[in-house]
This record gives sequence, structure tokens and C-alpha cells, in this order.
Amino acid sequence: GAGVSQSPSNKVTEKGKDVELRCDPISGHTALYWYRQSLGQGLEFLIYFQGNSAPDKSGLPSDRFSAERTGGSVSTLTIQRTQQEDSAVYLCASRSLAEETQYFGPGTRLLVL
Amino acid sequence: AQSVTQPDIHITVSEGASLELRCNYSYGATPYLFWYVQSPGQGLQLLLKYFSGDTLVQGIKGFEAEFKRSQSSFNLRKPSVHWSDAAEYFCAVGPSNTGTASKLTFGTGTRLQVTL
Repeated sequence: GAGVSQSPSNKVTEKGKDVELRCDPISGHTALYWYRQSLGQGLEFLIYFQGNSAPDKSGLPSDRFSAERTGGSVSTLTIQRTQQEDSAVYLCASRSLAEETQYFGPGTRLLVL
Repeated sequence: AQSVTQPDIHITVSEGASLELRCNYSYGATPYLFWYVQSPGQGLQLLLKYFSGDTLVQGIKGFEAEFKRSQSSFNLRKPSVHWSDAAEYFCAVGPSNTGTASKLTFGTGTRLQVTL
């Protein structure tokens, strides 16, 4: 079946601009995660959605970062007033309640000039 | 707080040689443990996972890992490496009690280079 998809695959933006990154989880997966992979930093957790519960935003680095999940499926990660340190690969993952394994998308590579 | 250490940033092995990638974790209870692989420009692919039971787990592509509670380790092994195994490998830990966010904590990764 179809895996997790993310768009765009690459995004180049200018400092100060807003960007939106999209994630389509695996159909039927109720849990959705965003991670950031920065050079030399490894992967860090950003935010987690589970069904209709309030999202766990504990990993968001600043209030410039926000995410929403519409209809329990597609999620959008928004970064406002981008900074150069926001340059990274943003990975989305989804998980079903029946198992603990997270399945990752290919990521969006963001470059802030 | 939970943490994962992958002490080897970069490893080079010859094709056909055996491989062991080290992973040590810090966690208050028995965690869920994962190994993922990331090829250049790709997302993360799950190689194997440990939840409970037999401490030696088999994964895809001929990989295996052994959970050693006394050493807080979950090292990844492969008896004979193929050139296509060149990639970055990530060890991750997640909480084992249900009802939690199960957000993963990752190590910083080990980049594997395979020489012919």
C-alpha cells in the first residue's frame, strides 16, 4: 500500500518568508509525528497528533513553528518568518494504534537563504 | 530523560566483511528499541525492532540486533555486508508503556561506507 508522502520534496525560501510543509499519512493511521533532521543534530521530535486529542507540541523550538491536522489525516507544518537555522530536513511519520512502529515519509528538505 | 548514544559517527567496512553498529540507551524502564536506515535523499526505513521476548531480533536485509539489558545496548549486526548497505543508520528508543506519545528519541546516526 501507499506509504507516508510529503510535499514538497525540496523547498528554497528567503529568510523572513513563511513556509508550509505537507504530510499525508498512511491511510488509517491515527498518530502522526513531525521530526526535524539538522546537519550534525540528528533527528529531533517536533510535534505529535493522536486522533482528536490535543497535540503534544513539546518539541517545537519556537512559536514560529505550528502544525495542524485536518480531518484526522493530512497535516501541515508551518514555519513563520523563517531563519537560516531552520534549514533542515523535516520528516513526517505515522503510526497505527495497533503497533508501536512509526513509518516515515521521504522528508522535505528546506533551505533558508 | 531518555537518550541514545551511537558512539561511531562513521564506519568503513569492506564488502563481505561483518558489521556491528553500536547503540547504547538511557531509559528508566525497558524501552522499545528500533533501528532505522536512511539512504541518501530518502526517508527512514525500519530495519528491526525490539519490544519484548527473545533478545535477538531479526530484521530485513539480513540484519539482526541483540538487546542486552545489563549493558543498556542494542547493537546492530550483519554477517556479510553488501555495497548496497552503505547508508546512515539510526538507533531509536521509545517508551514501552501504552497510552504515551511514543515519540522516539534518536541517536545521532552512524554513516556506513562500504569499500569494494
